[in-house]
Amino acid sequence: DAGVTQSPTHLIKTRGQQVTLRCSPKSGHDTVSWYQQALGQGPQFIFQYYEEEERQRGNFPDRFSGHQFPNYSSELNVNALLLGDSALYLCASRRVDGANVLTFGAGSRLTVL
Amino acid sequence: AQTVTQSQPEMSVQEAETVTLSCTYDTSESDYYLFWYKQPPSRQMILVIRQEAYKQQNATENRFSVNFQKAAKSFSLKISDSQLGDAAMYFCASSNSGYALNFGKGTSLLVTP
Repeated sequence: DAGVTQSPTHLIKTRGQQVTLRCSPKSGHDTVSWYQQALGQGPQFIFQYYEEEERQRGNFPDRFSGHQFPNYSSELNVNALLLGDSALYLCASRRVDGANVLTFGAGSRLTVL
Repeated sequence: AQTVTQSQPEMSVQEAETVTLSCTYDTSESDYYLFWYKQPPSRQMILVIRQEAYKQQNATENRFSVNFQKAAKSFSLKISDSQLGDAAMYFCASSNSGYALNFGKGTSLLVTP
């Protein structure tokens, strides 16, 4: 049973560029959320998607946007990259009617130069 | 808003010994969940244990147990019979009813032979 898969695992961008990160949830899960984990910090909630709509959003600027597809997979887009966007981006999934337990992917490591 | 504080940046324990990781949280909600996650060098967050705030009984999962003090807003993790594979970053987190997780800054656990 595949868990949460994320791609790419590592990428390097320069300031001002745009990036798209992808996530496939665990089989049977319909809700996807994204977290940003800066070096040496705990993850911070970006947003959560269910039924292809953003349901809840953390304290992140509009440069961060997302999408959920009919097959429940999700994308995180970040525009106008800043040096401070360098971080590990974690995707997590759950069943909306299941227990309050998230399954995390291994993350995408973004470096902005 | 919920905040989670982990006051121990690093802890060390000898193999087979017991160690306790501290966590305090602050929330105005009456219904919430508390979690301990483990993040090994592979980066994937792994759920260690979960506690529902309305349950007075402390959660246990094999060698892992919590001491949940609701009035004091304290949620510590005890690891018994520590193993080399327990070495990782440990994050305490809180959540309201299935939504965003609020993480602490983490405690790095070193296990020595």
